[in-house]
Amino acid sequence: GIQVEQSPPDLILQEGANSTLRCNFSDSVNNLQWFHQNPWGQLINLFYIPSGTKQNGRLSATTVATERYSLLYISSSQTTDSGVYFCAVEDEGNKLVFGAGTILRVKS
Amino acid sequence: EAQVTQNPRYLITVTGKKLTVTCSQNMNHEYMSWYRQDPGLGLRQIYYSMNVEVTDKGDVPEGYKVSRKEKRNFPLILESPSPNQTSLYFCASSAFDRDEQYFGPGTRLTVT
Repeated sequence: GIQVEQSPPDLILQEGANSTLRCNFSDSVNNLQWFHQNPWGQLINLFYIPSGTKQNGRLSATTVATERYSLLYISSSQTTDSGVYFCAVEDEGNKLVFGAGTILRVKS
Repeated sequence: EAQVTQNPRYLITVTGKKLTVTCSQNMNHEYMSWYRQDPGLGLRQIYYSMNVEVTDKGDVPEGYKVSRKEKRNFPLILESPSPNQTSLYFCASSAFDRDEQYFGPGTRLTVT
C-alpha cells in the first residue's frame, strides 16, 4: 500500500519563528490533506491540497504531485500552533492513509 | 453549525460487554469513516462508508462492525470488546465533491 512519511518527527520553535513540515508519499494520489491535532486531541482540517499551493492566514501548503511531496509552511508561529500535524493521502481503495505526524512545540 | 458529533466522549467498560459509539453529521456528507489513534501507530482507518447501505473495511476492521442506515449516522459497534481495543476513536465525514474530511471530537475508550 501507499506509504506516507513526514519530517521532522519533532520540532521545537521559539514564538515568532517560521517552519516547514514535509510529507513524502510513495505513489500518485488524488487526495492529500493536512490536519492539525491540538493538545486537547481535536483534529482540524487545514488544507485539502492534491496539487498546487494554498494559503490560509499564517499557514500555506504546496503539493508537487509529480515529485510526490507536500510542504506545510507555518510563519510567525504562535503557542496555539502547538500540537501534531498530520499529512494524509487517499489510496486507490478510497482509504485515507495518515503519516506518523510532526509534533510541534512553540515556546513563548 | 456544521459538525460531526460522537457519543460518548469517554467510556470505560469490561471485556465482552457489547457497546456502540454513535456518530452523526449535519452536513449531508456522503462519505463517513471511523479511525482509531494509538501511540506510535498514528491514525488507522477501521471502516468507511461511501453512502447509505454501502460500507467497506479499512485497515483494521477486526473486532468492529458498522452500519449506515441513514445518511447522517454511522455507528461503530464492538460486539465483544477486548483490551487491545482500548484507543482513541474518531469519526469523520466528507462530501465527495470537496473531499475535505471533518472529524468528530473523539471517543476515548478503555476496555479492562
